[in-house]
Amino acid sequence: DTEVTQTPKHLVMGMTNKKSLKCEQHMGHRAMYWYKQKAKKPPELMFVYSYEKLSINESVPSRFSPECPNSSLLNLHLHALQPEDSALYLCASSQVSLGTEYYEQYFGPGTRLTVT
Amino acid sequence: GNSVTQMEGPVTLSEEAFLTINCTYTATGYPSLFWYVQYPGEGLQLLLKATKADDKGSNKGFEATYRKETTSFHLEKGSVQVSDSAVYFCALIPLSNFGNEKLTFGTGTRLTIIP
Repeated sequence: DTEVTQTPKHLVMGMTNKKSLKCEQHMGHRAMYWYKQKAKKPPELMFVYSYEKLSINESVPSRFSPECPNSSLLNLHLHALQPEDSALYLCASSQVSLGTEYYEQYFGPGTRLTVT
Repeated sequence: GNSVTQMEGPVTLSEEAFLTINCTYTATGYPSLFWYVQYPGEGLQLLLKATKADDKGSNKGFEATYRKETTSFHLEKGSVQVSDSAVYFCALIPLSNFGNEKLTFGTGTRLTIIP
């Protein structure tokens, strides 16, 4: 099983709402990632978790709050978002690289978020 | 810093045409290089990779050779199909970043194949 699943597929939320995005993988990967992708742009890294601990936060605003409750799950909690936060949010997972070998990141299909 | 430059799109080709998408990079040390593909409505998939100079990555008829002397990793396919229509991203990760997996992506090239 090389699948990363993400729910929901689409989400529309108002600026005062609180919502969460969910990501799940059962490949035994211990590194998980959140990316944001605007239309016609490459993905931008937001957060990296390694062994369920936050290892990279790319200066993301606090209205985005990641959580990694166990090695298979990754959540992104959303609160008081702005319209410019509308984008495709991609989750990915991989083995943790040690030494000189890079392990492929497997991406989910994404959640299309619209903030109204 | 690290950067990837790839040819601007969109690129439109007829079925069975030869494809080249140019990619050049700037990086410290010896990065690993990748091509990712994003089909409409989907996440990214790793298409191929090369981890050292003169390595050739290949998959699904696509090829790219790691050229250290020209800092390039051009993507080629001899005969494209309609199903190859997608956005293609060139990316790198420096060796020194292993353990912190921050990919540096190019801007992406949208490819459309017409029957």
